[in-house]
Amino acid sequence: KAGVTQTPRYLIKTRGQQVTLSCSPISGHRSVSWYQQTPGQGLQFLFEYFSETQRNKGNFPGRFSGRQFSNSRSEMNVSTLELGDSALYLCASKVSQETQYFGPGTRLLVL
Amino acid sequence: QKEVEQNSGPLSVPEGAIASLNCTYSDRGSQSFFWYRQYSGKSPELIMSIYSNGDKEDGRFTAQLNKASQYVSLLIRDSQPSDSATYLCAVAPGTYKYIFGTGTRLKVLA
Repeated sequence: KAGVTQTPRYLIKTRGQQVTLSCSPISGHRSVSWYQQTPGQGLQFLFEYFSETQRNKGNFPGRFSGRQFSNSRSEMNVSTLELGDSALYLCASKVSQETQYFGPGTRLLVL
Repeated sequence: QKEVEQNSGPLSVPEGAIASLNCTYSDRGSQSFFWYRQYSGKSPELIMSIYSNGDKEDGRFTAQLNKASQYVSLLIRDSQPSDSATYLCAVAPGTYKYIFGTGTRLKVLA
């Protein structure tokens, strides 16, 4: 079974721009979660989607948004990028409330 | 107090020794606990999950859970240089999200 895939793998943007990241979960997994990972803060939860509905949300500003499509693929959008948004963005999928599996991540650099 | 706490390390152990990684959590209602391994520049990969008090063994790895004391640990027996990575403890407090510790960096010295 194919794992979680994320595109693109690397991105360079400038401050003020917006970016959209994509995540395709493992087949049959309906839950997709997004995390931001930075050296200083570690892995921080952004939000989770299940059956096209946001089920939970972390403590991030409204510039961070997401959505999920009927095929369970998910996108995350960050508007008005700031230097501090430079991070590894990880997507994870799971079929139940338990074990989740991570994708390879998208490394975003904001200049 | 952080919700999930881990010693950042690095924890250095010689090859063949037992590495002991610890994690404490604050939410007493937490039901599910996970250990992930993350190599530098890679995404986290699941090593173990544990839900009940006691020990759970899988190969060289043993997870230990003590809900009364609110800690979970991971033992790695016969540590190998390839085990050198950051180990992340994650706790699912019964809602639809995981809370991760900041990780412990393990270095296994050949």
